[in-house]
Amino acid sequence: QVQLQESGPGLVKPSETLPLTCAVSGYSISSDSYWAWIRQSPGKGLQWIATIYHGGHTYYNPSLKSRVTISVDTSKNQFSLKLKSVTSADTAVYFCARGGAQWWLNHWGQGTLVTVSS
Amino acid sequence: QSALTQPPSASGSPGQSVTISCTGTSSDVGSYDYVSWYQQHPGKAPKLIISEVTKRPSGVPDRFSGSKSGNTASLTVSGLQAEDEADYYCTSYAGSDNAVVFGGGTKVTVL
Repeated sequence: QVQLQESGPGLVKPSETLPLTCAVSGYSISSDSYWAWIRQSPGKGLQWIATIYHGGHTYYNPSLKSRVTISVDTSKNQFSLKLKSVTSADTAVYFCARGGAQWWLNHWGQGTLVTVSS
Repeated sequence: QSALTQPPSASGSPGQSVTISCTGTSSDVGSYDYVSWYQQHPGKAPKLIISEVTKRPSGVPDRFSGSKSGNTASLTVSGLQAEDEADYYCTSYAGSDNAVVFGGGTKVTVL
Protein backbone atom coordinates (compact mmCIF):
# COMPACT_ATOMS: atom_id res chain seq x y z
CA GLN A 1 0.00 0.00 0.00
CA VAL A 2 1.55 3.24 -1.16
CA GLN A 3 1.48 5.99 1.43
CA LEU A 4 2.76 9.55 1.21
CA GLN A 5 3.23 11.88 4.16
CA GLU A 6 4.06 15.55 3.86
CA SER A 7 6.03 17.41 6.49
CA GLY A 8 6.83 21.08 6.76
CA PRO A 9 7.29 23.99 9.16
CA GLY A 10 3.63 24.98 9.41
CA LEU A 11 4.51 28.66 9.73
CA VAL A 12 6.98 30.57 7.57
CA LYS A 13 7.90 34.24 7.62
CA PRO A 14 7.58 36.36 4.48
CA SER A 15 10.67 36.37 2.26
CA GLU A 16 11.95 33.11 3.77
CA THR A 17 12.31 29.74 2.05
CA LEU A 18 9.66 27.06 2.59
CA PRO A 19 11.03 23.51 2.79
CA LEU A 20 8.65 20.59 2.37
CA THR A 21 9.32 16.86 2.42
CA CYS A 22 7.19 13.95 1.27
CA ALA A 23 8.06 10.59 2.83
CA VAL A 24 7.03 7.65 0.66
CA SER A 25 6.31 4.19 2.05
CA GLY A 26 5.22 1.01 0.36
CA TYR A 27 6.83 2.01 -2.93
CA SER A 28 10.34 2.76 -4.13
CA ILE A 29 10.90 6.36 -5.10
CA SER A 30 13.39 5.08 -7.65
CA SER A 31 10.63 3.30 -9.52
CA ASP A 32 9.15 4.39 -12.82
CA SER A 33 6.87 7.04 -11.35
CA TYR A 34 6.24 10.75 -11.39
CA TRP A 35 6.36 12.59 -8.06
CA ALA A 36 4.50 15.86 -7.72
CA TRP A 37 3.64 18.77 -5.47
CA ILE A 38 0.24 20.48 -5.66
CA ARG A 39 -1.17 23.20 -3.43
CA GLN A 40 -4.55 24.59 -2.53
CA SER A 41 -5.01 28.06 -1.08
CA PRO A 42 -7.77 28.35 1.53
CA GLY A 43 -11.14 28.05 -0.15
CA LYS A 44 -9.55 27.90 -3.60
CA GLY A 45 -8.78 25.37 -6.28
CA LEU A 46 -5.80 23.12 -6.88
CA GLN A 47 -2.57 24.45 -8.35
CA TRP A 48 0.14 22.20 -9.72
CA ILE A 49 3.61 23.26 -8.54
CA ALA A 50 6.19 20.79 -9.82
CA THR A 51 6.86 17.21 -10.89
CA ILE A 52 10.01 15.12 -10.93
CA TYR A 53 10.43 11.94 -12.90
CA HIS A 54 12.45 9.09 -11.47
CA GLY A 55 15.22 9.82 -13.96
CA GLY A 56 15.62 13.27 -12.43
CA HIS A 57 13.81 15.24 -15.12
CA THR A 58 11.89 18.11 -13.60
CA TYR A 59 8.83 20.09 -14.64
CA TYR A 60 7.74 23.36 -13.06
CA ASN A 61 4.67 25.56 -13.14
CA PRO A 62 5.90 28.54 -15.20
CA SER A 63 4.37 30.98 -12.71
CA LEU A 64 6.44 29.51 -9.86
CA LYS A 65 9.50 28.23 -11.69
CA SER A 66 11.85 30.99 -10.59
CA ARG A 67 11.21 30.22 -6.91
CA VAL A 68 10.81 26.44 -6.82
CA THR A 69 13.13 23.45 -6.66
CA ILE A 70 11.96 19.84 -6.54
CA SER A 71 14.34 16.99 -5.72
CA VAL A 72 14.46 13.33 -4.79
CA ASP A 73 16.44 11.65 -1.99
CA THR A 74 16.59 7.96 -2.86
CA SER A 75 18.47 7.09 0.34
CA LYS A 76 15.52 8.26 2.42
CA ASN A 77 12.82 7.30 -0.10
CA GLN A 78 11.44 10.81 -0.10
CA PHE A 79 11.18 13.85 -2.28
CA SER A 80 11.24 17.51 -1.41
CA LEU A 81 10.17 20.98 -2.46
CA LYS A 82 11.78 24.31 -1.72
CA LEU A 83 9.87 27.52 -2.36
CA LYS A 84 11.90 30.71 -2.05
CA SER A 85 10.86 34.24 -1.15
CA VAL A 86 7.42 33.29 0.13
CA THR A 87 4.58 35.77 0.54
CA SER A 88 1.11 35.53 2.00
CA ALA A 89 -0.06 34.31 -1.42
CA ASP A 90 1.86 31.09 -0.75
CA THR A 91 -0.33 30.24 2.25
CA ALA A 92 -1.93 26.95 1.29
CA VAL A 93 -2.33 23.27 1.96
CA TYR A 94 0.52 21.53 0.16
CA PHE A 95 -0.06 18.01 -1.16
CA CYS A 96 2.49 15.55 -2.48
CA ALA A 97 1.41 12.86 -4.90
CA ARG A 98 2.60 9.94 -7.03
CA GLY A 99 1.61 9.50 -10.61
CA GLY A 100 2.29 7.86 -13.90
CA ALA A 101 3.74 8.84 -17.24
CA GLN A 102 0.26 9.74 -18.45
CA TRP A 103 0.20 12.58 -15.94
CA TRP A 104 -2.44 11.20 -13.61
CA LEU A 105 -1.91 11.23 -9.83
CA ASN A 106 -3.30 8.20 -8.06
CA HIS A 107 -1.74 8.41 -4.62
CA TRP A 108 -1.88 11.54 -2.52
CA GLY A 109 -0.67 12.58 0.89
CA GLN A 110 -3.14 14.07 3.35
CA GLY A 111 -1.69 17.56 2.87
CA THR A 112 0.11 19.95 5.18
CA LEU A 113 -1.01 23.49 5.91
CA VAL A 114 1.61 26.18 5.51
CA THR A 115 0.89 29.70 6.67
CA VAL A 116 3.08 32.61 5.64
CA SER A 117 2.98 35.28 8.29
CA SER A 118 5.33 37.42 10.30
CA GLN B 1 -0.19 29.17 -17.73
CA SER B 2 -3.98 29.41 -18.20
CA ALA B 3 -6.26 27.27 -16.11
CA LEU B 4 -8.82 25.04 -17.72
CA THR B 5 -12.38 26.38 -17.53
CA GLN B 6 -14.98 24.55 -15.48
CA PRO B 7 -18.44 25.71 -14.37
CA PRO B 8 -18.30 26.70 -10.71
CA SER B 9 -21.27 24.58 -9.77
CA ALA B 10 -23.56 21.79 -10.92
CA SER B 11 -26.39 19.96 -9.26
CA GLY B 12 -28.84 17.13 -9.63
CA SER B 13 -31.27 15.03 -7.68
CA PRO B 14 -30.41 11.52 -6.50
CA GLY B 15 -30.52 9.12 -9.41
CA GLN B 16 -30.10 11.82 -12.01
CA SER B 17 -27.01 12.54 -14.10
CA VAL B 18 -24.77 15.56 -14.08
CA THR B 19 -22.13 16.47 -16.64
CA ILE B 20 -19.21 18.80 -15.95
CA SER B 21 -17.30 20.42 -18.78
CA CYS B 22 -13.62 21.26 -18.83
CA THR B 23 -12.57 23.60 -21.62
CA GLY B 24 -8.96 24.09 -22.56
CA THR B 25 -7.10 24.92 -25.74
CA SER B 26 -5.40 23.22 -28.63
CA SER B 27 -2.22 23.32 -26.54
CA ASP B 28 -3.54 21.14 -23.75
CA VAL B 29 -6.88 19.29 -23.83
CA GLY B 30 -7.04 19.42 -27.61
CA SER B 31 -3.56 18.00 -28.13
CA TYR B 32 -3.24 15.24 -25.56
CA ASP B 33 -5.38 12.38 -24.24
CA TYR B 34 -3.93 13.04 -20.80
CA VAL B 35 -7.02 14.50 -19.15
CA SER B 36 -7.66 13.41 -15.57
CA TRP B 37 -10.51 14.09 -13.17
CA TYR B 38 -10.31 14.27 -9.37
CA GLN B 39 -12.96 14.23 -6.68
CA GLN B 40 -12.31 16.14 -3.48
CA HIS B 41 -14.45 16.05 -0.36
CA PRO B 42 -14.04 18.87 2.19
CA GLY B 43 -10.85 18.59 4.19
CA LYS B 44 -9.65 15.59 2.19
CA ALA B 45 -7.02 14.98 -0.44
CA PRO B 46 -8.18 14.73 -4.06
CA LYS B 47 -8.98 11.27 -5.39
CA LEU B 48 -8.33 10.20 -8.98
CA ILE B 49 -11.57 9.10 -10.64
CA ILE B 50 -10.76 9.32 -14.36
CA SER B 51 -7.39 9.17 -16.13
CA GLU B 52 -6.43 9.47 -19.79
CA VAL B 53 -9.84 10.93 -20.67
CA THR B 54 -11.90 7.78 -20.16
CA LYS B 55 -10.11 5.31 -17.88
CA ARG B 56 -11.51 4.49 -14.45
CA PRO B 57 -9.02 3.39 -11.80
CA SER B 58 -9.80 0.23 -9.90
CA GLY B 59 -12.49 0.81 -7.30
CA VAL B 60 -14.10 3.82 -8.97
CA PRO B 61 -17.79 3.14 -9.68
CA ASP B 62 -18.82 2.90 -13.32
CA ARG B 63 -21.25 5.75 -12.62
CA PHE B 64 -18.30 7.99 -13.40
CA SER B 65 -17.36 8.38 -17.05
CA GLY B 66 -15.19 10.71 -19.06
CA SER B 67 -15.07 11.88 -22.65
CA LYS B 68 -13.44 14.48 -24.85
CA SER B 69 -14.32 16.41 -27.97
CA GLY B 70 -11.88 18.90 -29.39
CA ASN B 71 -10.67 21.23 -26.68
CA THR B 72 -13.36 20.23 -24.18
CA ALA B 73 -13.37 17.25 -21.85
CA SER B 74 -16.38 16.17 -19.83
CA LEU B 75 -17.11 14.17 -16.71
CA THR B 76 -20.51 12.55 -16.31
CA VAL B 77 -21.79 11.24 -13.02
CA SER B 78 -24.78 8.99 -13.59
CA GLY B 79 -27.18 7.83 -10.91
CA LEU B 80 -26.15 10.57 -8.51
CA GLN B 81 -25.71 9.52 -4.92
CA ALA B 82 -25.37 11.62 -1.79
CA GLU B 83 -21.68 10.74 -1.48
CA ASP B 84 -21.02 12.23 -4.92
CA GLU B 85 -21.45 15.69 -3.44
CA ALA B 86 -17.92 17.07 -3.70
CA ASP B 87 -15.62 19.31 -5.69
CA TYR B 88 -14.41 17.99 -9.02
CA TYR B 89 -11.26 19.10 -10.81
CA CYS B 90 -9.99 18.37 -14.30
CA THR B 91 -6.35 18.49 -15.33
CA SER B 92 -4.52 18.14 -18.59
CA TYR B 93 -0.97 17.70 -19.74
CA ALA B 94 0.05 20.85 -21.61
CA GLY B 95 3.42 20.04 -23.10
CA SER B 96 6.90 19.94 -21.63
CA ASP B 97 7.03 23.68 -20.84
CA ASN B 98 3.75 23.94 -18.96
CA ALA B 99 3.32 20.28 -18.07
CA VAL B 100 0.12 20.33 -16.00
CA VAL B 101 -2.87 22.68 -15.93
CA PHE B 102 -5.81 22.37 -13.55
CA GLY B 103 -9.38 23.47 -13.94
CA GLY B 104 -10.85 25.85 -11.39
CA GLY B 105 -13.08 23.15 -9.93
CA THR B 106 -16.82 22.44 -9.95
CA LYS B 107 -18.87 22.00 -6.81
CA VAL B 108 -21.46 19.28 -7.32
CA THR B 109 -24.51 19.44 -5.09
CA VAL B 110 -26.91 16.53 -4.72
CA LEU B 111 -30.31 18.10 -4.15
